[in-house]
Amino acid sequence: DAGVTQSPTHLIKTRGQHVTLRCSPISGHKSVSWYQQVLGQGPQFIFQYYEKEERGRGNFPDRFSARQFPNYSSELNVNALLLGDSALYLCASTLGPEIGGYTFGSGTRLTVV
Amino acid sequence: AQSVTQLGSHVSVSEGALVLLRCNYSSSVPPYLFWYVQYPNQGLQLLLKYTTGATLVKGINGFEAEFKKSETSFHLTKPSAHMSDAAEYFCAVSDRGGAQKLVFGQGTRLTINP
Repeated sequence: DAGVTQSPTHLIKTRGQHVTLRCSPISGHKSVSWYQQVLGQGPQFIFQYYEKEERGRGNFPDRFSARQFPNYSSELNVNALLLGDSALYLCASTLGPEIGGYTFGSGTRLTVV
Repeated sequence: AQSVTQLGSHVSVSEGALVLLRCNYSSSVPPYLFWYVQYPNQGLQLLLKYTTGATLVKGINGFEAEFKKSETSFHLTKPSAHMSDAAEYFCAVSDRGGAQKLVFGQGTRLTINP
């Protein structure tokens, strides 16, 4: 079975630009979450979506937005990029934490210059 | 609000020695508890989780952790370290309901000395 897949794996953007990151969950998983991991720190929760509805939002500015599609895949959008947005963005999917925990993708490494 | 504290940002042990990585959490009710491992330039891999039942949890690669409610701890152990265990380890908690977001500790970098 395919795991959680994220695309692209790496990208470089300029300050002020917009970026879209994509995530496909494990087949059957209806919940998708996004995390930001800055170098040397633990991941920070950005969003959770379940059945296409936002179920949770972390302490991130409105420049960050996300959505979930009918096939349960998800996009994370970041507008007006800042240097501080440079990070590894991780997507996780789950059937339920009590069942299988959260399965993470390999992430998208975003560098803002 | 939940929080996780991992004691020791760096831990170094000899190959074959005991590995002990410490994790304490703060939560109003017993949460779900997780340990993840991260190898360089990779995502997170689940080592083990505690949700309910037996408080001693066995995971992959010979790791185990014990949930101690009275101490609000969930320390990770492995009897004998292997060179391949060198990585970053994260302890995390989540609520039993609601958004079920994961709250991570700052991580512990484990180094294995030959």
